[in-house]
Amino acid sequence: NAGVTQTPKFQVLKTGQSMTLQCAQDMNHEYMSWYRQDPGMGLRLIHYSVGAGITDQGEVPNGYNVSRSTTEDFPLRLLSAAPSQTSVYFCASSYSFTLPDTQYFGPGTRLTVL
Amino acid sequence: AQRVTQPEKLLSVFKGAPVELKCNYSYSGSPELFWYVQYSRQRLQLLLRHISRESIKGFTADLNKGETSFHLKKPFAQEEDSAMYYCALADRGSTLGRLYFGRGTQLTVWP
Repeated sequence: NAGVTQTPKFQVLKTGQSMTLQCAQDMNHEYMSWYRQDPGMGLRLIHYSVGAGITDQGEVPNGYNVSRSTTEDFPLRLLSAAPSQTSVYFCASSYSFTLPDTQYFGPGTRLTVL
Repeated sequence: AQRVTQPEKLLSVFKGAPVELKCNYSYSGSPELFWYVQYSRQRLQLLLRHISRESIKGFTADLNKGETSFHLKKPFAQEEDSAMYYCALADRGSTLGRLYFGRGTQLTVWP
């Protein structure tokens, strides 16, 4: 199993550009989520999904959209990038959403918005 | 509201010394606590969870409901323990499976 994969690893955007961060998992996990990691702020939840077709907002959803058309994929879209979105983004998945469960993280995408 | 506090942003110890990474939580329900670790250039991974009562890589953590703490301890630190450590809390009764992370403690173990 590849586990949780993310692409790209690095990305530089200009303010106002849009892009999609890809996340995929091959473990048949129900629950997937996106976090951003900023120095001194820890990990903050952006959006999450408890299954295909079901998504919801986390702590810091503004400026981001998600969709979950399949169990495997959970892309994160930046509609109009802003410098405040410069961060490291982590995708995570876990088997169950009905019980707190071990989350498996992807390697991260380092995004810089100029 | 759930909240996880890790009061130390940075922690340095010498190899062989005991280490304790502090974690306090604020939660009105029945929490489940985790410690996640991120080694340099590696992805975040689970270190241990209180419900399993395991010792992983020599680390242990005890849930103290009276003090609302879940401190991570190791009696003899090793250089390879240098990493960023995150304490996380989940609502055991939650249908959402969400984790709430502290801000992390960067541990450096000097030779």
